[in-house]
Amino acid sequence: SAVISQKPSRDICQRGTSLTIQCQVDSQVTMMFWYRQQPGQSLTLIATANQGSEATYESGFVIDKFPISRPNLTFSTLTVSNMSPEDSSIYLCSVEVQGAAGYTFGSGTRLTVV
Amino acid sequence: AQSVTQPDIHITVSEGASLELRCNYSYGATPYLFWYVQSPGQGLQLLLKYFSGDTLVQGIKGFEAEFKRSQSSFNLRKPSVHWSDAAEYFCAVGKGGATNKLIFGTGTLLAVQP
Repeated sequence: SAVISQKPSRDICQRGTSLTIQCQVDSQVTMMFWYRQQPGQSLTLIATANQGSEATYESGFVIDKFPISRPNLTFSTLTVSNMSPEDSSIYLCSVEVQGAAGYTFGSGTRLTVV
Repeated sequence: AQSVTQPDIHITVSEGASLELRCNYSYGATPYLFWYVQSPGQGLQLLLKYFSGDTLVQGIKGFEAEFKRSQSSFNLRKPSVHWSDAAEYFCAVGKGGATNKLIFGTGTLLAVQP
């Protein structure tokens, strides 16, 4: 299965600033997914990123707040913009492994906004 | 709309005892079903998945799950729990195809007593 490198693994940020999270996959994948896991909660999909097109955002998430880049088939970034303490969460990227082998997740970025 | 319910928020079992974590889903067709485990401070690791075929699925770490269409369930089981199994367990449903996102349950936190 694919191996995902996600960084940073954790960060503490000031409110009003932005943080860009990187996700690198060791193989080419069509779709990459970004999830948010708020403290004590389950995972919620933020958006789906396809190479060469704009990301598709889920209800409640907007591009201005969570801009996503997908410059090639192995890399994506998620930016959390104008952060507030409510953005403190774990952010995870995920890819679908070809051949119906399931979905692989990065190790996550633990973000704390102070 | 798809949904996943994990009725047990928190379960405590003794080491060596058997385990069953419940998962019920709502979906109009045959879903893709997954169980993931998340250890503290870690990302998600895929335990097992069901796409089609044999309804009893074997996974890693001695886990298995059984798909029961009549009950819309996909319960996770392990005959003998080890202390290292203490973690949070997430059931997820996906429908594959062009929109491959996963819908996650709220998770079950497993504690293992010595």
